[in-house]
Amino acid sequence: GESVGLHLPTLSVQEGDNSIINCAYSNSASDYFIWYKQESGKGPQFIIDIRSNMDKRQGQRVTVLLNKTVKHLSLQIAATQPGDSAVYFCAENNNDMRFGAGTRLTVKP
Amino acid sequence: ETGVTQSPTHLIKTRGQQVTLRCSSQSGHNTVSWYQQALGQGPQFIFQYYREEENGRGNFPPRFSGLQFPNYSSELNVNALELDDSALYLCASSSLDTDETQYFGPGTRLLVL
Repeated sequence: GESVGLHLPTLSVQEGDNSIINCAYSNSASDYFIWYKQESGKGPQFIIDIRSNMDKRQGQRVTVLLNKTVKHLSLQIAATQPGDSAVYFCAENNNDMRFGAGTRLTVKP
Repeated sequence: ETGVTQSPTHLIKTRGQQVTLRCSSQSGHNTVSWYQQALGQGPQFIFQYYREEENGRGNFPPRFSGLQFPNYSSELNVNALELDDSALYLCASSSLDTDETQYFGPGTRLLVL
């Protein structure tokens, strides 16, 4: 069946470096994608979204890239900070929201 | 803060019991979606309510039911609790009329013994 998945379960980066979190999706009909950040004990927090008619969208220190040809989504975080440590989920919205399993980002000081 | 609140924050029940979880949506939102998040996994869609009507359902049995009130707050009811129902239950509010973005509450952690 259709699924959203992440390439890596964990990612460790040095403070100040850039982080890249990847996500693969399989439902070619999905037209809306979202990245969420979830800190321990909290609900997911919206970071950035992108529609299928775009291939790149930038926010504050974050960029989402969408490659529809290979059904791949990535989240880039510039100058990663300790406060960025969390689990990051990609989700695709096609009538219902489907989340991947998440990638745990750890930022080393 | 998203303005989405959930109650209670934590709950302990025993197998076979019934539970009701509550969610208040963000001001101006008319849509509430419920998710179950098992430990170490991503949220799984249970169902969505839009303007007091069910507007989509995930792969959950009928003992998971819900409703939405005229003020757009919502309840999730689970009957005949099973051990595997232990999870974090999240609600997210949105306004389907204007934007698909869903904003999550802090969740209710349910433990079934």
